[in-house]
Order: sequence, then structure tokens, then C-alpha cells
Amino acid sequence: KNQVEQSPQSLIILEGKNCTLQCNYTVSPFSNLRWYKQDTGRGPVSLTIMTFSENTKSNGRYTATLDADTKQSSLHITASQLSDSASYICVVSGYNQGGKLIFGQGTELSVKP
Amino acid sequence: EAQVTQNPRYLITVTGKKLTVTCSQNMNHEYMSWYRQDPGLGLRQIYYSMNVEVTDKGDVPEGYKVSRKEKRNFPLILESPSPNQTSLYFCASSFNRGFPYEQYFGPGTRLTVT
Repeated sequence: KNQVEQSPQSLIILEGKNCTLQCNYTVSPFSNLRWYKQDTGRGPVSLTIMTFSENTKSNGRYTATLDADTKQSSLHITASQLSDSASYICVVSGYNQGGKLIFGQGTELSVKP
Repeated sequence: EAQVTQNPRYLITVTGKKLTVTCSQNMNHEYMSWYRQDPGLGLRQIYYSMNVEVTDKGDVPEGYKVSRKEKRNFPLILESPSPNQTSLYFCASSFNRGFPYEQYFGPGTRLTVT
């Protein structure tokens, strides 16, 4: 069964610190992996999209990495800000699976002053 | 302004009373999709559409219907709502041209079925 697992489930860090969120998936064959940020009560916003040929992609203070061999991805947040407090969701799409997306349950990040 | 709109944003209804949640996008996107979000379960895909008149089931299609008669609209229909369909619903859209384009989400519709 195609699955996407994220860890940790929740994380609390101090403002200014870095953190790394993990995503493991079993979707095969793999097409692409996305990271979204979702503020409470609002729709998710795309941070990065990576295909199987990409190892890393950055969007400001957010850097995503992908290892398609081990089926792992990480999202690194540098110099965290209070506004980074949100849920971060990993989403994987399989090759030739049309528009079907497999969502992880998300990591709830809380940045404290 | 490029956006995905949903209506209504909040809805309280009773079991069995048919309802429709509308979704519209102004970006000429081919791909549109509906999701529900529940605590502890994350986002789950209900239905998606790769283009006009093309729809497919996601992970949790039971109890829902969709139609895609025109490119900009993708309504979600609950023929006979039940309390287990109480949830936060999101519509999303993107281009669909052989490359994973960014998906834009609507603001959400909070549905309560009593």
C-alpha cells in the first residue's frame, strides 16, 4: 500500500533555531514529492516540488532534500521565525497514477520566542 | 487576482439534506481536486479531475459526487450527508501538462452535519 509517514508528529523549537522534518514514503514507482505549509484553518501553501531527478530544492529559509533510493525526504528550516509555526505536510505522487496524491499526516511545528 | 474560491465557507446542515459546495478557479487550470481534513488523519483526497469531463476517485470517494462540465468549476455534491462527513473541505487546482505544477488551495469549507 502506498504510504507517506512523517516525523516527528510535533516539534517545539525556539525562535532563531534550525530544525529538520522527515518524510518517508513507500509510493512506487515514484514521480514527485511536495512539501506544503498549512497555517491553522487555512489552505496549504506549496513550499517545494521535487521530481525523482532532483536532490535538493530551496525556497528562502526552507530547503528540501530527496533521496529517491531510500525513499526519504527532509525539510530543513533555517533561522526559524514565529511565523513558521504551522503544519508541514509531505505529499507524494506516483508515476502513471494520474492526479492521485498521497498525503502524510503532517508535522506540527511550534516556534516559541 | 489568481485564486481558488469555495462557497460556502461554513455550513451546518442536517443528515440527509442534499448539499453542494462550489469550487471555482480563475487560472485556467486543467487539474482540480477535492480534499477533506480531519484531526489525526490529515488531508485525504476525495475526487480529482484531470480536465473537463474527466473525473477520478481519490482515497475516500464514498458518499460524494463531483462533476466537471467546465474548466473553471468543480462542485462537490453530498447527496445524503451523514455526520461522519463533518469535516474541513479544501478544493485545489493546478496546471496539468506532464510536469508537477504547484497546486493552489482554496480557503476551505467547514461542514457540520447533525
